[in-house]
Amino acid sequence: DIQMTQSPSSLSASVGDTVTITCRASQSITNYLNWYQQKPGKAPKLLIYAASSLQSGVPSRFSGSGSGTDFTLTISSLQPEDFAIYYCQQSYSTPRTFGQGTKVEIK
Amino acid sequence: QVQLQESGPGLVKPSETLSLTCIVSGGSNSSYFWSWIRQPAGKGLEWIGRIYTTGSTNYSPSLKSRVTMSVDTSNNQFSLKLNSVTAADTAFYYCARDSSGPGRPFDHWGQGTLVTVSS
Repeated sequence: DIQMTQSPSSLSASVGDTVTITCRASQSITNYLNWYQQKPGKAPKLLIYAASSLQSGVPSRFSGSGSGTDFTLTISSLQPEDFAIYYCQQSYSTPRTFGQGTKVEIK
Repeated sequence: QVQLQESGPGLVKPSETLSLTCIVSGGSNSSYFWSWIRQPAGKGLEWIGRIYTTGSTNYSPSLKSRVTMSVDTSNNQFSLKLNSVTAADTAFYYCARDSSGPGRPFDHWGQGTLVTVSS
């Protein structure tokens, strides 16, 4: 199985800040890396697919980068609705695996 | 707009079989894999497995011995069975579309259903 490791596990930030979350794969997954946002009581929502492509309807303040084993999700100008848990996920091979999540909290 | 909706019992007794169905509406269910993903309360996401419209499956190695998935294309639905459940199987269960496009993400999700394993 490909292990996905996110850092940090949690972070505190203020509205307007730029935050960066990293995700590392245990082996190369080329660009088969996706990012999801999950709010309490809701299903995860796709934000970024193929490492850097923005899902339709997702605000442009979300961006993704990386390839191989190291990836980042950046949220520019954090908004109140962005406080949530973020997960990375590899779709290079089965079993599909997720990072452990990064909780973005209000400072 | 594609929509997915999980249904099934919210309470299952230990050692029995958990059975869930996901109904897909608003789009064709052809040419996609359909996945099941679960999440214990307050914890992370675990992929259970997926099924293609032809019936071909891939299961998580950790659950493979207890999982069976099936698909009913005529009724736009697919199902999960997990046998010999224990309290460790208590979780929110989500169905999701496994996109065949770039990145192959889970691009549509059901709202999730809580299954509690308890006597």
